[in-house]
Amino acid sequence: ILNVEQSPQSLHVQEGDSTNFTCSFPSSNFYALHWYRWETAKSPEALFVMTLNGDEKKKGRISATLNTKEGYSYLYIKGSQPEDSATYLCAFFGGTSYGKLTFGQGTILTVHP
Amino acid sequence: GAVVSQHPSWVICKSGTSVKIECRSLDFQATTMFWYRQFPKQSLMLMATSNEGSKATYEQGVEKDKFLINHASLTLSTLTVTSAHPEDSSFYICSARYDDRASYEQYFGPGTRLTVT
Repeated sequence: ILNVEQSPQSLHVQEGDSTNFTCSFPSSNFYALHWYRWETAKSPEALFVMTLNGDEKKKGRISATLNTKEGYSYLYIKGSQPEDSATYLCAFFGGTSYGKLTFGQGTILTVHP
Repeated sequence: GAVVSQHPSWVICKSGTSVKIECRSLDFQATTMFWYRQFPKQSLMLMATSNEGSKATYEQGVEKDKFLINHASLTLSTLTVTSAHPEDSSFYICSARYDDRASYEQYFGPGTRLTVT
């Protein structure tokens, strides 16, 4: 069973704060690490798909880094806004489950005005 | 971006009845569709993987006779929960992708909340 862990489970920040959270995954047989944002009552939306060690990706105020050797990825949000409130999921693609995503339990972010 | 719809968004049914959930890729042809289940405060758990025209591949511990999956076309997959019981009450969500490479994301439907009374 693949172990994908996200921390913290939940996070409350004030508008304008910058924040980050972590996804840890198996460091062997790595193919890709996916990040999704899931707003209540909507479909999870893909943020990033990261495949290379040392990869850094950015979309607006959100960025992510990847370390496949030690098995972790960070997601950063700069200057959080209330509309960033959502559950952020990471998913590991690889290992013996090639072709399938194994999800972490998510980090619930609440940004207070 | 690619859009996946799921219907119904919520359903209440009586114990012993069957419920069908549809998952459609609206603007692309999906090589593969996935069905997940989510229990409260837990991660998305993959139930099965389906490819058009072939039998679904179920994850360990998922009863294939209880959760029937039909992938009739490149844009439609259905999940039927047969003889539903209260313990089947959960959130079910599908996803689809048009490329099986690791670098391609999955596109999710909005999910279906099933309550069995």
